[in-house]
Amino acid sequence: EADIYQTPRYLVIGTGKKITLECSQTMGHDKMYWYQQDPGMELHLIHYSYGVNSTEKGDLSSESTVSRIRTEHFPLTLESARPSHTSQYLCASELAGGIEQFFGPGTRLTVL
Amino acid sequence: AQSVAQPEDQVNVAEGNPLTVKCTYSVSGNPYLFWYVQYPNRGLQFLLKYITGDNLVKGSYGFEAEFNKSQTSFHLKKPSALVSDSALYFCAVRVLNTGKLIFGQGTTLQVKP
Repeated sequence: EADIYQTPRYLVIGTGKKITLECSQTMGHDKMYWYQQDPGMELHLIHYSYGVNSTEKGDLSSESTVSRIRTEHFPLTLESARPSHTSQYLCASELAGGIEQFFGPGTRLTVL
Repeated sequence: AQSVAQPEDQVNVAEGNPLTVKCTYSVSGNPYLFWYVQYPNRGLQFLLKYITGDNLVKGSYGFEAEFNKSQTSFHLKKPSALVSDSALYFCAVRVLNTGKLIFGQGTTLQVKP
């Protein structure tokens, strides 16, 4: 089991709220990723980071933002949540020069 | 553009029978290919990968996958299915020179006793 953690595991909030989904890993991995898994179960990359102070947008446009101030921490923020943000969000990490990504357990977000 | 396709939304097999979950890919250059499994309310767990070398790759929990370059396929297989193998399976290809993974749409495997 990989040492990558996500909190909260489940979150139900009202429209317009600001939320932050936490992701942390204890493996010292430089690369970290956020994926959005929609109700049809397909995964899409929404953000990634190759190291501290490095963040990039992924293939799927997202209204969320991320930051990478510390190697082990890669939080995702929604300034104003909407029902269209309802989804599962999966965080992953990878060692620099590595091949395999390790995934966290996910956060299931429901916006009412 | 690089892509991955899993043509079956669901695969049903009886316990003890062999199983195959299909995956085809489209990439430029040599592909790095992966299989992940997802159990309900869990993240993805790595099963196996193909980078280079032997076309038959062995992975976790008795799974294996066969890389076929001419057919651009990377099918997941297991000789004898278990009920506990029931889960959602994803095939993925790595975008070269980046860490980004492109996933297939997923295949639900249902193993019946």
